[in-house]
Amino acid sequence: SQQGEEDPQALSIQEGENATMNCSYKTSINNLQWYRQNSGRGLVHLILIRSNEREKHSGRLRVTLDTSKKSSSLLITASRAADTASYFCATAGAFQGAQKLVFGQGTRLTINP
Amino acid sequence: DTEVTQTPKHLVMGMTNKKSLKCEQHMGHRAMYWYKQKAKKPPELMFVYSYEKLSINESVPSRFSPECPNSSLLNLHLHALQPEDSALYLCASSQAMTWPGELFFGEGSRLTVL
Repeated sequence: SQQGEEDPQALSIQEGENATMNCSYKTSINNLQWYRQNSGRGLVHLILIRSNEREKHSGRLRVTLDTSKKSSSLLITASRAADTASYFCATAGAFQGAQKLVFGQGTRLTINP
Repeated sequence: DTEVTQTPKHLVMGMTNKKSLKCEQHMGHRAMYWYKQKAKKPPELMFVYSYEKLSINESVPSRFSPECPNSSLLNLHLHALQPEDSALYLCASSQAMTWPGELFFGEGSRLTVL
């Protein structure tokens, strides 16, 4: 892909457990964002972490960024059935001379009640 | 108002038809985007308008023609599409093109080409 990969591709856990998704990217970035997409719907922005930040929290979400390893992780704590969705990381940086937001392959998360 | 509105939600068209997808936002954003998303794949950037000027064209086939009539509206004109163009087309907006911050997405237009 142009930028990154996410793993796992699919994750199925029990309600109440924590879910961790990882994202790797290839080039230098200005910021990295995470989005959620419910099946067949639009994407919803979850959190943005800048390249000079290492960790960020928002409610039950915790994002880390390691620019030396070109990787990020999204942790969802105390998962709920409503968290079932696809999660995408997106990197903002210069690609082929233009500033773009490029999405990773995504992780499909299923929360079992 | 933090909405991006896309119409129609569903569109079925033949390969010889001409149709348009429409997108509207009233958040005062000056960058607007078209993404294409196939099933179980990430969104792929097609076009970006910044201050109503086409800023990025990802070498999309000419059968897709974008238009930005004003800062609130974005159209995607479709002509002579192929069945492989069937996908979810997502419109998004952001405050500015420089180092994209948060993108606000519409719910998408599901296109089926017969």
